[in-house]
This record gives sequence, C-alpha cells and structure tokens, in this order.
Amino acid sequence: SQTIHQWPATLVQPVGSPLSLECTVEGTSNPNLYWYRQAAGRGLQLLFYSVGIGQISSEVPQNLSASRPQDRQFILSSKKLLLSDSGFYLCAWSLFGTGDQPQHFGDGTRLSIL
Amino acid sequence: GDSVTQMEGPVTLSEEAFLTINCTYTATGYPSLFWYVQYPGEGLQLLLKATKADDKGSNKGFEATYRKETTSFHLEKGSVQVSDSAVYFCALKGFQKLVFGTGTRLLVSP
Repeated sequence: SQTIHQWPATLVQPVGSPLSLECTVEGTSNPNLYWYRQAAGRGLQLLFYSVGIGQISSEVPQNLSASRPQDRQFILSSKKLLLSDSGFYLCAWSLFGTGDQPQHFGDGTRLSIL
Repeated sequence: GDSVTQMEGPVTLSEEAFLTINCTYTATGYPSLFWYVQYPGEGLQLLLKATKADDKGSNKGFEATYRKETTSFHLEKGSVQVSDSAVYFCALKGFQKLVFGTGTRLLVSP
C-alpha cells in the first residue's frame, strides 16, 4: 500500500533563517505531488504541484520554492523565512493523471516563525 | 475559475443530532467532488467522493450526493458522535489539482 511521510512534524525557526521540509511517498510510481499551506483557522492554499521529476508549478508568488529531485521526493524550501510563512504545511500525492483520483495527505508540519 | 463554497462554522451539535454541512461549487464541465476531514493537529483524510451526477458517496455513516442541477454536494450524517468533531473540507477536482472550500468546523458535545 502507498504511504506518505512528511517531516519534521513541528519546527520553530527565527525570521530570516532557511527552511527545508521534506516529503516522500512509498508504494507508487510517478505520483502527482502537492504542497499546501493552511494558516490558522483558514482553508488550504495550494503552493506548488509537480507531475514529474524537475517539473514544478507554482500557484502563488511567494517566499518559498519547491523541488522534486527524485520521483517520490518533494521538498519545500526558503532561503529567508518571513513571519508570514508561519502555518501548517501539508504534502499530498495522487495517482498520475487528470481523472478523479483523490489526493492523500501527510500528517503535516507545523511551522512557527519567531 | 473553479471554486467551492462551504457554510461557515462552527457548527455546534449535541451527540446523536442530524448533521448537514452545505457545499456548492462552480466549475466548467463535471468535476469529481470530495469531502475531506481534518482532526485536530492532523493532515486531511479522504472521507468520501462522487465522480458523476447523482452519485452518492458514503463512508463512516456520512453521505453526500452529487447534484448537478443545484451544483451541490452537501454532507450529511444521521447521528453524530463526539468523535466526529473535526474540520470538514469540500473539494472539487480541477485539472491536475483540487480546489478546496474554506472548511467547516464541527463541534459535537456529549
């Protein structure tokens, strides 16, 4: 069966520091991969998605970037964190294609910027 | 563009009460529709889905019917439990990605 791992679970970082959040998927090949942010008490905002290695689509301009160095690895990064980057970050995967495949989410990373 | 509108919460119910959380959508074509649930401090879990008009998705006592004529996908449960307290998200599947509603918090008291 497929599983998704996201780490760390919680992270406290000072303003201006770099960021690297990692997400890996097991049990499937060539998945679509997604990064979302959920601000406190708000809905989900899609940040990035990827349909293949090295292919990244950005949904909103921001202080963050994403990379997909391997088929089942998706990394969210920042060179300098801002206070507004605080939130709950969720990685998700779905089967490749544009059909009715649902997305499956990791347990999330709670990021607090001080 | 595609969008999903959910009723604002929180929805506060007593145990064993009937639940309805409204969801309407705007989309080109006939997207697949989903309900996700998020328990405190956790990621989202797929609750149910429907892929075409008049389909009924169901899981764990929850149901939702894909209504093309009213562009709706309301979530219902006949008798809620305290353990159902969570945030519920309605979503539609656009090209390559999901479009989520803002979520509705459900609070169930004993």
